[in-house]
Amino acid sequence: ETGVTQTPRHLVMGMTNKKSLKCEQHLGHNAMYWYKQSAKKPLELMFVYNFKEQTENNSVPSRFSPECPNSSHLFLHLHTLQPEDSALYLCASSHQGGTSGRPEAKNIQYFGAGTRLSVL
Amino acid sequence: GQSLEQPSEVTAVEGAIVQINCTYQTSGFYGLSWYQQHDGGAPTFLSYNALDGLEETGRFSSFLSRSDSYGYLLLQELQMKDSASYFCASYTGGFKTIFGAGTRLFVKA
Repeated sequence: ETGVTQTPRHLVMGMTNKKSLKCEQHLGHNAMYWYKQSAKKPLELMFVYNFKEQTENNSVPSRFSPECPNSSHLFLHLHTLQPEDSALYLCASSHQGGTSGRPEAKNIQYFGAGTRLSVL
Repeated sequence: GQSLEQPSEVTAVEGAIVQINCTYQTSGFYGLSWYQQHDGGAPTFLSYNALDGLEETGRFSSFLSRSDSYGYLLLQELQMKDSASYFCASYTGGFKTIFGAGTRLFVKA
């Protein structure tokens, strides 16, 4: 148990559907992340939120829409996806990033087990 | 571009020692992390090196050479449960961590 919970664990959707992925962290962290994990590829950072404010949008198509209502919850709203969007979507959280000597400066991230998404 | 290179697969025998190498090319570098991910599971943090040298945590050790842009993860006394994917990751500051594609470790009896 990593302290980061993602639901659902599996999702199959058609290209015209609208669905949402949910992430919740119980670690008291202020930063939350969405990553896309495809087979044999590096994790792709999609979005970062710090204290509910989006700090990073890594040129993600608009069919992916994040929402962060508070520091403990993160959503990824999906609509009109493409088959190539099929992947494992991982949520992570961390203490505030930084370059000081404090432990949180390492940006250690705690991941959920992910949502396996299949787009038909 | 920013990238981390690591072997795609490594196979070793139970009880043996295995080393997983990682070379990085990233703009801005504060340290190198290692994560473990079992099939169907969450990536979990193993170690972090900010300075050159070896960090030891039980059966796992991690090494960094900043001048060579190189690091490795060393797993000793391999156990079957160590079969997993291992990712190196470069912390580049703020909230940005760049991950490698992962090394799949197979431990055989």
